[in-house]
Parts: sequence; C-alpha cells; structure tokens
Amino acid sequence: GAGVSQSPSNKVTEKGKDVELRCDPISGHTALYWYRQSLGQGLEFLIYFQGNSAPDKSGLPSDRFSAERTGGSVSTLTIQRTQQEDSAVYLCASSLTQGAVTEAFFGQGTRLTVV
Amino acid sequence: AQRVTQPEKLLSVFKGAPVELKCNYSYSGSPELFWYVQYSRQRLQLLLRHISRESIKGFTADLNKGETSFHLKKPFAQEEDSAMYYCALSGQSGSGGSNYKLTFGKGTLLTVNP
Repeated sequence: GAGVSQSPSNKVTEKGKDVELRCDPISGHTALYWYRQSLGQGLEFLIYFQGNSAPDKSGLPSDRFSAERTGGSVSTLTIQRTQQEDSAVYLCASSLTQGAVTEAFFGQGTRLTVV
Repeated sequence: AQRVTQPEKLLSVFKGAPVELKCNYSYSGSPELFWYVQYSRQRLQLLLRHISRESIKGFTADLNKGETSFHLKKPFAQEEDSAMYYCALSGQSGSGGSNYKLTFGKGTLLTVNP
C-alpha cells in the first residue's frame, strides 16, 4: 500500500475484554514500531520489530500486552483483560533502515476506549 | 538510557512573530535527532532531521551537542504552523547492537494566532 495502515480506526471495548490491533506497514520496510499516545503523555514506545523478531520489548507496560509480526509484514498488538488506563491512541510506524532510524512513517492510529 | 525533554506543553504566538520550540536530550552516544509534526486530523510525519541540515516550511533546527539541545525555530510563524510538534532521538535500543528505536518527547502544541 501507499502508507502504513492500521485497523480498526476506533475500538470501544468493555473492561476485561481482549482486543487486537493490526498494523500493515509499508511494503519492504523491515523495521516496525508500536507507540502509545495518551493525553498529556506524549508518545510512549511499546515494542520494536526487526523482521519478525522483537529485539526491544522494553516498553510493553505489563504482561497483558503482547505483539507479534509474521512474514516480516503485518503486526498485531494484543491487549488482554483490558483496563481503563489502556485507553489511548495506538500508533504503528515502519522504517526502511535496519540501523539508525532515519525516517519512520506512521499510521493514522487506532483509538482504543475501554469502558 | 535515552531521554527527550520538551519543556513546553503549550506555546502560543501571533502570526509573524518568531517561534522557538525547545528540545533537550540525554544520550551517551552520538545522537540522530528529528522533529515530527502532527497537524489536526492528520498522521504524524517527519518535519526535519538534523543530519540533513535543511529548512522545511521555514523551520530550522541546529544540534548543539554542548547544550544537548535541538531547538526548532522559525523567524515568522504562520497560522498553518499550528500543530503538535514532537522532538525525537534515534538511539540504540535496550539490546544494543544494530537495533535502534525512536524516543519521543511529550510534544509541544503550537498555536499561531491571527
């Protein structure tokens, strides 16, 4: 596709339910990142993929959060037993470089609301 | 550890006035720094990077290693510059090696008034 695509755009879920957020990066981009954007908190790094492996998962806030990437392309971020504090915009980005990031291209985000 | 600090959450200026958005960083290695911008209802996008030494939409930013700063400046602000601005640093991720990640500041919301 022309850019990074995320789905769904909006998700409202009940507390305690599991949710899956999808990211389709730009074709050929080897690096993929997940960030969380909360009001007043800026952009919080969650996890980084290089190909299908995740060399840095340090930003995942708890073991309820997990992510995978298959075929070096699509990535899924899963949040189990959602809590109200998980409400945020989840952003995915991809980048061509394998070393130092030169430019990351962002998706439009998934707005998650836990009620 | 790498850290990016943007001390101003909000910045309001009048059209035609100079604007400076502050960014300070903490990183033990040689950093690569960026400014990203998010206009209303649009996705986050790269504005400029320090290695390019370019001016985009009239904005410039100079890396000052002595002061560990990368402030974004524009001599004459325009109303269309109103947006959220994020400073970011590309540094080695926790596992080191050739793995890097972008660390962002909390952002500054710039409002340019007519």
